[in-house]
Amino acid sequence: DVKVTQSSRYLVKRTGEKVFLECVQDMDHENMFWYRQDPGLGLRLIYFSYDVKMKEKGDIPEGYSVSREKKERFSLILESASTNQTSMYLCASSPYRGFSYEQYFGPGTRLTVT
Amino acid sequence: AQTVTQSQPEMSVQEAETVTLSCTYDTSESNYYLFWYKQPPSRQMILVIRQEAYKQQNATENRFSVNFQKAAKSFSLKISDSQLGDTAMYFCAFMLERSQGNLIFGKGTKLSVKP
Repeated sequence: DVKVTQSSRYLVKRTGEKVFLECVQDMDHENMFWYRQDPGLGLRLIYFSYDVKMKEKGDIPEGYSVSREKKERFSLILESASTNQTSMYLCASSPYRGFSYEQYFGPGTRLTVT
Repeated sequence: AQTVTQSQPEMSVQEAETVTLSCTYDTSESNYYLFWYKQPPSRQMILVIRQEAYKQQNATENRFSVNFQKAAKSFSLKISDSQLGDTAMYFCAFMLERSQGNLIFGKGTKLSVKP
């Protein structure tokens, strides 16, 4: 089974802190994604990466950055956390142009910024 | 730009009955894929069913089937014989074939199956 893991299920941080959210996948997938999920807004793409050291902005990249130094790991960084970044963060991975194009999701990190 | 619309924020159904979740999308392109994802309470999002736009036949996975109307840009999900475990958020998603695998999601429908 494909496994996508995220470093924390719940995280509480203070305004202005630098926050790291880690995601690891074990299926040698090329693509990795970070989404933000808010009630009534669905999932919105923050950043994605289709290869090591490659990154592309999604729909809402402001206030976030990412790092992908190894194929299996994709990190989301909040440079200076703000209260409007309180949300559920989902990581996903998929094979590059794989047959199924299925994205496999992690369990999510619920981040609260106070 | 591509958009996905789910017009039903919440729905409920009695156990063993059938329910249909609606999804419409907008695109000017011809080659794309459509998906339904399920997110049970406090659990991971999983793929329910997918449809290739070039296929006329509607996809089916056990109790889950879709009604894909390409001209109308409609992609509804039918759940037959609903079970309590079907209670979840359901997201419709769209992906262009030429993309890097990026999904565009609707806002979701919260489905409650009642005993």
